[in-house]
Amino acid sequence: ETGVTQTPRHLVMGMTNKKSLKCEQHLGHNAMYWYKQSAKKPLELMFVYSLEERVENNSVPSRFSPECPNSSHLFLHLHTLQPEDSALYLCASSQDWGLMGSSYNEQFFGPGTRLTVL
Amino acid sequence: AQKITQTQPGMFVQEKEAVTLDCTYDTSDPSYGLFWYKQPSSGEMIFLIYQGSYDQQNATEGRYSLNFQKARKSANLVISASQLGDSAMYFCALRTGANNLFFGTGTRLTVIP
Repeated sequence: ETGVTQTPRHLVMGMTNKKSLKCEQHLGHNAMYWYKQSAKKPLELMFVYSLEERVENNSVPSRFSPECPNSSHLFLHLHTLQPEDSALYLCASSQDWGLMGSSYNEQFFGPGTRLTVL
Repeated sequence: AQKITQTQPGMFVQEKEAVTLDCTYDTSDPSYGLFWYKQPSSGEMIFLIYQGSYDQQNATEGRYSLNFQKARKSANLVISASQLGDSAMYFCALRTGANNLFFGTGTRLTVIP
């Protein structure tokens, strides 16, 4: 496997279910990100982990719980979601996180998990 | 606050022609980066091109070039010699400070044979 992988690619869950999204990066990067992409809205940054420490949490409801057990893996645990949480959830990684100035450090994205909450 | 604006929800271009996708941004940070990503129907965001705020020359990557006009705060993507495989959503993104990206709403490009 190369790049950033995400599983599952599609997920349908009820509002009372608990599920987890998994992301794995094979690039040796130090930073990982969760984004939410809803229809007709810009991508929204949810969480950022740098060197396995959470460094950003953009006012995300507590029904979304991230976990970063090591620098290669990132999880998003889901519980008691709402129908409006249905979206494409994208994971990304980059070499570093922090003051980047105008240097490169592009983010590499996975294919996403298409989540439907019934 | 950081802001990215893409005013073209959809664009059409004839195969082999060039097309320009517009992007304007707003930031008070003197040091920032601008990215363009392509998102095909499969969902994955594919990095295309990057422009740093201090770069003196416009960025180019193969058929992609970035028309960076700093005073106007615009960073338009130019795709030359369009191909059918270029049909996708295109997103402009602004990065300031730490490596957090602020995305625009995207432009759907359709290449017509």
